[in-house]
Amino acid sequence: EIVLTQSPDTLSLSPGERATLSCRASQSLSTNYLAWYLQKPGQAPRLLIYGSSNRATGIPDRFSGSGSGTDFTLTISRLEPEDFAVYFCQQYYKLPLTFGGGTKVDIK
Amino acid sequence: QVQLVQSGAEMKKPGASVRLSCRASGYTFTTYAIHWLRQAPGQRLEWMGWINPDDGESKYSESVQGRMTITRDTSATTSYMELRSLTSDDSAMYFCARASGGYHYWGQGSQVTVSS
Repeated sequence: EIVLTQSPDTLSLSPGERATLSCRASQSLSTNYLAWYLQKPGQAPRLLIYGSSNRATGIPDRFSGSGSGTDFTLTISRLEPEDFAVYFCQQYYKLPLTFGGGTKVDIK
Repeated sequence: QVQLVQSGAEMKKPGASVRLSCRASGYTFTTYAIHWLRQAPGQRLEWMGWINPDDGESKYSESVQGRMTITRDTSATTSYMELRSLTSDDSAMYFCARASGGYHYWGQGSQVTVSS
């Protein structure tokens, strides 16, 4: 199965700062079938980015995704208070579909 | 608007079975696959399987193959997930999600607790 490794585990930042999250796949996702989600405690995940770089409906443009092959990045240009949460990546290129372990973005 | 509404929390004893439901609304049910996933405390999300509501074809992860069955009732626009021979390792929040290039829509989750 494709293993997704996210880094860092935790990112401590202040509102207004830029966040850069990484997701590395154990094998190439040649179709860039990589998604990013945000999850808050007690809630279902929310899709942010699909196809490596496409923003989902209603997602503000401070969120952007990039990358191809095995290395992918989620960037939040200026953190808003509601952005402090856990972020994880998911590949839907090959079964079994797999998720990264998550990066927690918390308030510094 | 698209909604996926899941059944409520379940508490089961080891060895029992659990059946969860996921009722879809706001779109044509047979157009998109429904996936089932779970998340145990402190663990990453785990994909369990999916069903094509149009023809009923389903596929499962190796970890639940043989213990899990996903079905659907097109007239009720509902998918069902049954997991058998439960152990404490099956205690988790279970989600259904609609698949179309990532999971754009999720159910609210159903907590399953397995305890003697």
